[in-house]
Amino acid sequence: AQSVTQPDIHITVSEGASLELRCNYSYGATPYLFWYVQSPGQGLQLLLKYFSGDTLVQGIKGFEAEFKRSQSSFNLRKPSVHWSDAAEYFCAVGGNSGNTPLVFGKGTRLSVIA
Amino acid sequence: DAGVTQSPTHLIKTRGQQVTLRCSPKSGHDTVSWYQQALGQGPQFIFQYYEEEERQRGNFPDRFSGHQFPNYSSELNVNALLLGDSALYLCASSLKGEQPQHFGDGTRLSIL
Repeated sequence: AQSVTQPDIHITVSEGASLELRCNYSYGATPYLFWYVQSPGQGLQLLLKYFSGDTLVQGIKGFEAEFKRSQSSFNLRKPSVHWSDAAEYFCAVGGNSGNTPLVFGKGTRLSVIA
Repeated sequence: DAGVTQSPTHLIKTRGQQVTLRCSPKSGHDTVSWYQQALGQGPQFIFQYYEEEERQRGNFPDRFSGHQFPNYSSELNVNALLLGDSALYLCASSLKGEQPQHFGDGTRLSIL
C-alpha cells in the first residue's frame, strides 16, 4: 500500500539557519513526489515536484529536494530559513497515471524563531 | 489566471444535516479531486471526477457523494453529518488527472 511518513511532527529553527524536513515513502510503482506548504487557514501550495531525471529538484521560495530511490526518501531543504517560512509542510506521493490520487504524510509544522 | 476557487469558506452544521460544497477548477483544467483534511492530519483522498463521472474513490462511506458539471465545476455532498466530518475540505484540479494538482483554499466545515 502507498504511504508517506514524515517523522518530525514539529521542528523549530532559527531565522537564517538551514532546514531539512524528512520524508519517506512507500509506493509500488514509479512515484511522483511532491512537497506542499500550507499556511494557517489556507490551502496547499505546491513547492516542488519530482517526476524523473535529475534527482535534485529546485522549487519556489528557495526550496530544494533530493530524491533517493535506495532510501525511499524525498527530503526538503532550504539553506537559510526566513520567518515567513513558518507553516505546515506536507510530502505527498502519486502515480504517473491519469487518475492516481495523492497520498499525503501527516505533515511537519515548522516554527521559526528570531 | 484564476486558480481553484471553493465556496463557502466556512460552514457550520449540526449532526444529521446535509451539506453541499462547491469547487471551480483552475482555468483549463478538467479534472477535480476532493480531499478531507482533519485537524492535525494530512489530506485524505475522497474521490475524483473527470468527464462528469466519478473515476476513482477513496475509503469514504456512501454518505459522501459528488457531481461534476459540463463546465468542469464540481460539488461535494455529505449526508447525515457526523461530528467526525468536521474538517477542511480541499478541492484540487488538474488536466486529465495528470500531476501536479492545484489546490484551492478549502472549505472549513464544523459540525455541532
